[in-house]
Amino acid sequence: EAGVAQSPRYKIIEKRQSVAFWCNPISGHATLYWYQQILGQGPKLLIQFQNNGVVDDSQLPKDRFSAERLKGVDSTLKIQPAKLEDSAVYLCASSLDLSRETQYFGPGTRLLVL
Amino acid sequence: AQSVTQLDSHVSVSEGTPVLLRCNYSSSYSPSLFWYVQHPNKGLQLLLKYTSAATLVKGINGFEAEFKKSETSFHLTKPSAHMSDAAEYFCVVSDLGRTGTASKLTFGTGTRLQVTL
Repeated sequence: EAGVAQSPRYKIIEKRQSVAFWCNPISGHATLYWYQQILGQGPKLLIQFQNNGVVDDSQLPKDRFSAERLKGVDSTLKIQPAKLEDSAVYLCASSLDLSRETQYFGPGTRLLVL
Repeated sequence: AQSVTQLDSHVSVSEGTPVLLRCNYSSSYSPSLFWYVQHPNKGLQLLLKYTSAATLVKGINGFEAEFKKSETSFHLTKPSAHMSDAAEYFCVVSDLGRTGTASKLTFGTGTRLQVTL
């Protein structure tokens, strides 16, 4: 069974530029999560999807971050414009559905904003 | 709100000696607790989880954890460390017990395990 795929693995941009990350969850998983992991901290949930609907985006900085999962499979997370403090690893995870606690994580995208 | 506190940011052990990574939790309901491991440049991998069944939970790679409600603890142990165990370990709590439908994970700050020869 293929795991959660993410791309790119690394990205370096200058502040005020925009960037997008892509995630493909495990096949058949209805729930998809995006996390931000700042160096030295645990992952923090940004947004949670159930199929193509948003379940929780209370921690998403909506003035600069956006995410979509239009067809209920792949998802894209965008930052526009990026700030220095956005430097972090962005992790995507998926689970079978909302009631399933076990989440499967992708390798992450490491973002450096200069 | 639920939370977890990992008591050590860094633990160093010699290969072949026991490992103890400490985690305390705070929750107003019966929690589900997890340990995840993160190797450098790799994704988070589930080691084990507690969901109100047996209080002693066995996971992969010889790790186990014991849920102690009286101490609000969920410490991770392994009898004998191996070099490949060197990684970042996260204690995690789920809010499924509170909401009943949507599982949101809250991570601790992590413990870096170093294994020396």
